[in-house]
Amino acid sequence: NAGVMQNPRHLVRRRGQEARLRCSPMKGHSHVYWYRQLPEEGLKFMVYLQKENIIDESGMPKERFSAEFPKEGPSILRIQQVVRGDSAAYFCASSWDRATYEQYFGPGTRLTVT
Amino acid sequence: AQTVTQSQPEMSVQEAETVTLSCTYDTSESDYYLFWYKQPPSRQMILVIRQEAYKQQNATENRFSVNFQKAAKSFSLKISDSQLGDAAMYFCAYRRSQGGSEKLVFGKGTKLTVNP
Repeated sequence: NAGVMQNPRHLVRRRGQEARLRCSPMKGHSHVYWYRQLPEEGLKFMVYLQKENIIDESGMPKERFSAEFPKEGPSILRIQQVVRGDSAAYFCASSWDRATYEQYFGPGTRLTVT
Repeated sequence: AQTVTQSQPEMSVQEAETVTLSCTYDTSESDYYLFWYKQPPSRQMILVIRQEAYKQQNATENRFSVNFQKAAKSFSLKISDSQLGDAAMYFCAYRRSQGGSEKLVFGKGTKLTVNP
């Protein structure tokens, strides 16, 4: 059973470009969480999605960031007009349902903005 | 808002010895979960151990055990018989058990070095 997949693993963007990060949850999981890890920091929650719904986006910056989890296909975290401060590792986690305590993490996408 | 504090940015231990990593948290909830995650240089987040707040018994997973003090809001991780492969960043995390978002709240981490 494949784990949580994220791609790309590494992404380099110039300032002002768009970054699209993809996350395929574990088979049977319908809940996805996105976290951001800045250098020398712990992970910070960004957004929690269920299929076709955003449940909690309290950690998302108000501008330039958006997330979706369509009925078919992976979850997408989109960052428009990237700035140097967006450079970080972005992790996706998935769970079976809302009550399940365990979240399974993907390997992360390292975004570098030049 | 819930917060998680790891007061030891770095720790080191000799191979085969025991080390304890500290974690304190702040919450007004009575029911929640606590976790320790390991992040090796590969950056993959690996769940080491979890503790349900309603359980009085401390969780144990092979060489890893916790000391959960609910009243003190303390949740330390003990690693026995340390191995070179234990070298990693260790993150303490909190999650409320129900209602609202099930997001994980992480501490800033402790970097563990294992000396041969």
